[in-house]
Amino acid sequence: AQSVTQLGSHVSVSEGALVLLRCNYSSSVPPYLFWYVQYPNQGLQLLLKYTSAATLVKGINGFEAEFKKSETSFHLTKPSAHMSDAAEYFCAVSRPKGNEKLTFGTGTRLTIIP
Amino acid sequence: NAGVTQTPKFRILKIGQSMTLQCTQDMNHNYMYWYRQDPGMGLKLIYYSVGAGITDKGEVPNGYNVSRSTTEDFPLRLELAAPSQTSVYFCASRTSASYEQYFGPGTRLTVT
Repeated sequence: AQSVTQLGSHVSVSEGALVLLRCNYSSSVPPYLFWYVQYPNQGLQLLLKYTSAATLVKGINGFEAEFKKSETSFHLTKPSAHMSDAAEYFCAVSRPKGNEKLTFGTGTRLTIIP
Repeated sequence: NAGVTQTPKFRILKIGQSMTLQCTQDMNHNYMYWYRQDPGMGLKLIYYSVGAGITDKGEVPNGYNVSRSTTEDFPLRLELAAPSQTSVYFCASRTSASYEQYFGPGTRLTVT
């Protein structure tokens, strides 16, 4: 079975500050990992994904994440927060085969302080 | 190309009523999914389909049914609605070649 744990259901950062959203995974096989973003009253949109190529993955809107097998982590970062980054962020894990399903974390709501 | 569309956007049901949530995608994706989202709980998979005529249960299928007669449509049926089914429902789809799921805008359902 796979699972993800997102540490911190709410994170607040000042505009221009570093954004760090934490995700740890559990998987019996090398996983595929994803970060999705959900803006208010909208569906989820893929930010970035790790599928066993480069361990540092760059996504949209200046976000990136690093796969660290030794720490079973896939934390999401952005060097400088923007007001438009305020949203809910979900980490998800999948087995890298066939019709495998995504297992989502419980989400982290990011608030940007002006 | 509209992507994934869901209707209705909002609905209030009385306990015991039934309804169908509609989901349509125009991207010729063979995989389709239904999730429910509850505050602080993330997304839970209800049912999924890997192609027309093939469906399977997810994590929380009780109280729901699905069908997949065409590639484009994947309706979710609620029979005998209960307050525990108050939630936001999302439909998603993807190709077999990519793990990126494309989400619809959601249906907010309240059962009272």
